Amino acid sequence: ETGVTQTPRHLVMGMTNKKSLKCEQHLGHNAMYWYKQSAKKPLELMFVYSLEERVENNSVPSRFSPECPNSSHLFLHLHTLQPEDSALYLCASSPYQGTFTNEQFFGPGTRLTVL
Amino acid sequence: QQPVQSPQAVILREGEDAVINCSSSKALYSVHWYRQKHGEAPVFLMILLRGGEQKGHDKISASFNEKKQQSSLYLTASQLSYSGTYFCGTESDTGNQFYFGTGTSLTVIP
Repeated sequence: ETGVTQTPRHLVMGMTNKKSLKCEQHLGHNAMYWYKQSAKKPLELMFVYSLEERVENNSVPSRFSPECPNSSHLFLHLHTLQPEDSALYLCASSPYQGTFTNEQFFGPGTRLTVL
Repeated sequence: QQPVQSPQAVILREGEDAVINCSSSKALYSVHWYRQKHGEAPVFLMILLRGGEQKGHDKISASFNEKKQQSSLYLTASQLSYSGTYFCGTESDTGNQFYFGTGTSLTVIP
């Protein structure tokens, strides 16, 4: 595997379900990101982790819970989601030295549908 | 806080030029440009740092006017492969805040 991988690629879940999205990067980067991309909306940065510590949390509802066990893996735990949470969830990684001035490498995304 | 891009959409014929603008209300430290093709992940094009630098590769270049908090992406002699949605991403100079812009859909037709 190379680059940034995400699983699953597609996920359909009910509002009462609990599921997790997984992201793995094979680039040796020390920062990982979760983005939400909805139709007709720009990419929204949700969380940033640098060296397994959260450095950014853009007022994301608590039904989204990130976890970064090491610099290569990032999870997004989902519970009691709403239909408006249906979107493409993108993971990215980059080198990070306290600023965002580095190229971010994106994974292919997980298409989430909440029924 | 998210930057505004213009135009929202543009259609070009092969060989024509285009300019995409990105404007922020905040003072900026850096501007990123990405392109996303339909059904694919965004792909990095370039980063410009405060200092008004201009970058480019091949026929895609960009400028950054920090006084106006604006960046422009220039696509010259467009090719079919340029089609996609272009996003600017801006990093504020007051802290670790990063926002992507509203996106510009660019379609190149034969």
